[in-house]
Amino acid sequence: EAGVTQFPSHSVIEKGQTVTLRCDPISGHDNLYWYRRVMGKEIKFLLHFVKESKQDESGMPNNRFLAERTGGTYSTLKVQPAELEDSGVYFCASSQDYRQGGYEQYFGPGTRLTVT
Amino acid sequence: QQQVKQSPQSLIVQKGGISIINCAYENTAFDYFPWYQQFPGKGPALLIAIRPDVSEKKEGRFTISFNKSAKQFSLHIMDSQPGDSATYFCAASPGGSQGNLIFGKGTKLSVKP
Repeated sequence: EAGVTQFPSHSVIEKGQTVTLRCDPISGHDNLYWYRRVMGKEIKFLLHFVKESKQDESGMPNNRFLAERTGGTYSTLKVQPAELEDSGVYFCASSQDYRQGGYEQYFGPGTRLTVT
Repeated sequence: QQQVKQSPQSLIVQKGGISIINCAYENTAFDYFPWYQQFPGKGPALLIAIRPDVSEKKEGRFTISFNKSAKQFSLHIMDSQPGDSATYFCAASPGGSQGNLIFGKGTKLSVKP
């Protein structure tokens, strides 16, 4: 079974540009999460999708960040315009619905975003 | 404000020794406490998790000890091996395993041969 995949693995952009990160969850996982780790800090929650609906977006830092999950499959996280403080590693995680025995959040390898 | 405080930041242990990492939290609404292990270039992977109605959980060489009254929990790695060298994160969630995870800052463990 394929794990959570993320694309790209690394992105370097200039301040003011736009970047779109993609996450493909494990097939059949209704829950999809985005997290971010800024250098030297803890991994922080951004938002949680259940299928195509945003269950919790309390961690989104500001309106420069837009997350979508059309059709309840893969998700994209767009940063527009990017700022220097957006640099970090963006992780995606997915899990099964608890009613289907879902227990663990499986993390992808992350996308390292560098804004210069 | 850091909701989950983790220590130490780094840890060096000899092969065969015991590695101990500690975490403390404030929010009594947390009901799920996982530990994640991360190797370079990989995402965090669930190692072991505990709920507050249990004081200890053991899986192989890994044990979580949980002290609800003190709002602390710790990871013990017995017979530490060089292959255990990784970054370990504690986390907590107010919504069970499906809720958003609040992480500690991580502990970089090095096990020397």
